[in-house]
Amino acid sequence: QAALTQPPSASGSPGQSVTISCTGTSSDVGGYNYVSWYQQHPGKAPKLIIYEVTKRPSGVPDRFSGSKSGNTASLTVSGLQAEDEADYYCCSSAGNINFGMFGRGTRLTVL
Amino acid sequence: QVQLQQSGAGLVKPSQTLSLTCAISGDSVSSNSATWNWIRQSPSRGLEWLGRTYYRSKWYNEYAVSVKSRISINPDTSKNQFSLQLDSVTPEDTALYYCARAAYWAFAIWGQGTVVTVSS
Repeated sequence: QAALTQPPSASGSPGQSVTISCTGTSSDVGGYNYVSWYQQHPGKAPKLIIYEVTKRPSGVPDRFSGSKSGNTASLTVSGLQAEDEADYYCCSSAGNINFGMFGRGTRLTVL
Repeated sequence: QVQLQQSGAGLVKPSQTLSLTCAISGDSVSSNSATWNWIRQSPSRGLEWLGRTYYRSKWYNEYAVSVKSRISINPDTSKNQFSLQLDSVTPEDTALYYCARAAYWAFAIWGQGTVVTVSS
């Protein structure tokens, strides 16, 4: 059961936009619209920031947006702020055998 | 406001059983719209979904292939909580363990996390 593929790192300057990818297969990311994204600061539990590919929970800034094309989902953070520096993880439903899986995470650095 | 409070042993000997409990406030373990999950995190494995229990007219349990032969997740309706048992642990099971409430693979509510170390 391989994890979803994310780049290990990403970076951008304040005010810029950065996009993080999450690549799976037709059995997970490509097969379901149940992709979610999490932000994790050091020593904290992950926080849900995107669910069902594009939806934002209440209280999450609209600077965070999600999309999907084929087997790859993406998280875009616009107007980067210092507090966006964190680890970001994707997660996808993966059917009735693997059920669900996470990506290995992307460390976002705000330069 | 839904909250999850974890409890359980932080140190487990190899070959023994890891046991953790997640107490729910602000929701019911018998909810027809939520699933109750265990997830762990380690430097070597990252975030790993372990399994879930949920009620949809009857109880369902689903487990990750990687731990399916060793894991049990059980609801306790009398105490409004759910538990994790992982048998025959090895040092590879050392991790930070979280319980989480989800709907459609969106883990919106997380417990505080429990560091579990497998060591003699």
